[in-house]
Amino acid sequence: GQNIDQPTEMTATEGAIVQINCTYQTSGFNGLFWYQQHAGEAPTFLSYNVLDGLEEKGRFSSFLSRSKGYSYLLLKELQMKDSASYLCAVKDSNYQLIWGAGTKLIIKP
Amino acid sequence: GAVVSQHPSWVICKSGTSVKIECRSLDFQATTMFWYRQFPKQSLMLMATSNEGSKATYEQGVEKDKFLINHASLTLSTLTVTSAHPEDSSFYICSARLLENEQFFGPGTRLTVL
Repeated sequence: GQNIDQPTEMTATEGAIVQINCTYQTSGFNGLFWYQQHAGEAPTFLSYNVLDGLEEKGRFSSFLSRSKGYSYLLLKELQMKDSASYLCAVKDSNYQLIWGAGTKLIIKP
Repeated sequence: GAVVSQHPSWVICKSGTSVKIECRSLDFQATTMFWYRQFPKQSLMLMATSNEGSKATYEQGVEKDKFLINHASLTLSTLTVTSAHPEDSSFYICSARLLENEQFFGPGTRLTVL
């Protein structure tokens, strides 16, 4: 079957760095997405990786290794507003989105 | 974990026809479901919030007469794109809310209007 795994919850300190991992097993691969979702709001797009390597966007970076079925989202200089759920999703060979359950990130002062 | 399905997974239709997309929560009841469009730059735009037994709440700029939403049961919401045009071609994603801050997303439906 198809599966996306990511930790349920993580806690980090304001100003620090946190890495949220995502492993996937899907039938085919057409890209991996990271979304941020604050409680009660729609998800906002953070990144899209289709080739191996690191994509950097300001304080957020996303890494992909297709051979390992692995990605991570790296958040630097954490701010209180980064407290949210982070969703990992993969598009399979049929371009269907397989979603992870999301990682709830709690930022402490 | 909770599973949300969508049907069909992809559909091609002629301009002017209507297309119905189903969203089902397979192993839980969802009083609230959400419909999104995914744009080429990968952002998700919330179209409407669907509440079981009542009228959907549409986001600003979304035509309620064009995108008909019916949430007839606690496990099924449907989105009907009426008189579809090529500009309606997109990837439509639904999600279902299990708990207040817990949403589960469907695999999406790719609509192509010729």
